[in-house]
Amino acid sequence: ETGVTQSPTHLIKTRGQQVTLRCSSQSGHNTVSWYQQALGQGPQFIFQYYREEENGRGNFPPRFSGLQFPNYSSELNVNALELDDSALYLCASSVGLGETQYFGPGTRLLVL
Amino acid sequence: AQSVTQLDSQVPVFEEAPVELRCNYSSSVSVYLFWYVQYPNQGLQLLLKYLSGSTLVESINGFEAEFNKSQTSFHLRKPSVHISDTAEYFCAVKDDMRFGAGTRLTVKP
Repeated sequence: ETGVTQSPTHLIKTRGQQVTLRCSSQSGHNTVSWYQQALGQGPQFIFQYYREEENGRGNFPPRFSGLQFPNYSSELNVNALELDDSALYLCASSVGLGETQYFGPGTRLLVL
Repeated sequence: AQSVTQLDSQVPVFEEAPVELRCNYSSSVSVYLFWYVQYPNQGLQLLLKYLSGSTLVESINGFEAEFNKSQTSFHLRKPSVHISDTAEYFCAVKDDMRFGAGTRLTVKP
């Protein structure tokens, strides 16, 4: 059984660009959540997808958007990148809503 | 929304000493609580969780945490730490999975 995987591991972008981060959930998991972890801080909830529908959203602007596919993998898209978007982006999957989340290793994004 | 406060940003201890990492949460009717560990340059790993039942929960590597409803706390403890326990520890409360700011545990030889 494979765990949660994320790609790419590292990414460098410039201000104003757009980025897409990808996440493959653990086998049997239908719920995916995305978090932003700035340096020296705890993860901040961005949004959650359950069976391809957004199921909750944190305090992030609309330029943060996402998708969940029929195989329950997921993408996080960020438009008009800002310097403050530099962070570790974590994906977590679970077998359903309210269940324990299991995290991937993260994608480290640097915006210059 | 619930909130989580980790009272210590850094905890340095010597190897084989006991340690307690403190976590308090805002009160709620029902609460699920978690501790995650993050090793350098890695994602978060679930250490232990409280959902219901016994207020004392244990992990496989010697950590334990006690849910205290009256004090709204879920402190993490280990009676004897190892160098390999050096990491960042996050307390989290279920609802929208709100995390504390983290406590960096550094175990010195």
